Amino acid sequence: GAVVSQHPSRVICKSGTSVKIECRSLDFQATTMFWYRQFPKQSLMLMATSNEGSKATYEQGVEKDKFLINHASLTLSTLTVTSAHPEDSSFYICSARAPGDTQYFGPGTRLTVL
Amino acid sequence: AQSVSQHNHHVILSEAASLELGCNYSYGGTVNLFWYVQYPGQHLQLLLKYFSGDPLVKGIKGFEAEFIKSKFSFNLRKPSVQWSDTAEYFCAVNPLAGGYNKLIFGAGTRLAVHP
Repeated sequence: GAVVSQHPSRVICKSGTSVKIECRSLDFQATTMFWYRQFPKQSLMLMATSNEGSKATYEQGVEKDKFLINHASLTLSTLTVTSAHPEDSSFYICSARAPGDTQYFGPGTRLTVL
Repeated sequence: AQSVSQHNHHVILSEAASLELGCNYSYGGTVNLFWYVQYPGQHLQLLLKYFSGDPLVKGIKGFEAEFIKSKFSFNLRKPSVQWSDTAEYFCAVNPLAGGYNKLIFGAGTRLAVHP
């Protein structure tokens, strides 16, 4: 149990376009999901906390207008990178908090902005 | 600054060697503690967690970790590693005080096990 999926796994886009990444908890409901960014050979950096039915909470230094988060249901959160630029290229990982307060992670999405 | 520190960035071991990976955190108050593993090309998987109770917790694949509150530490151990343990290991802390409810990750330790 406790499976989290992400789609797409890889995406390449042109600079200036927007990209949407989906995160789904497949076998449990998650009122809270999290979005992380992982740079090569570095740890995960929390970007924002996604709360079902309410606004996301962003970490300091993360532009909320650039990284739009929508937690539309108890099993789905989306991250939209708006007007993407090459510096947004990264590995984006979501997690969902299961009952019992453990986070389960998705497989990640590699975004490349040309 | 409050943080999670993993002292070993790279560890190289031979099969059957014992493993200990350090993790220290600087948050006061009650914390939940986790170790996650990321095998090559795969996503993060939970190895073990500590919320309360017995400070020695056992996880999957023969791993265990000991919470020492006085040292703010949560070191990961395995008595005999296998080649398949080659992966990156992340310590994570959820500081429960002050309304926090999120994971703060250490920088990770890359373990290579040679046959």
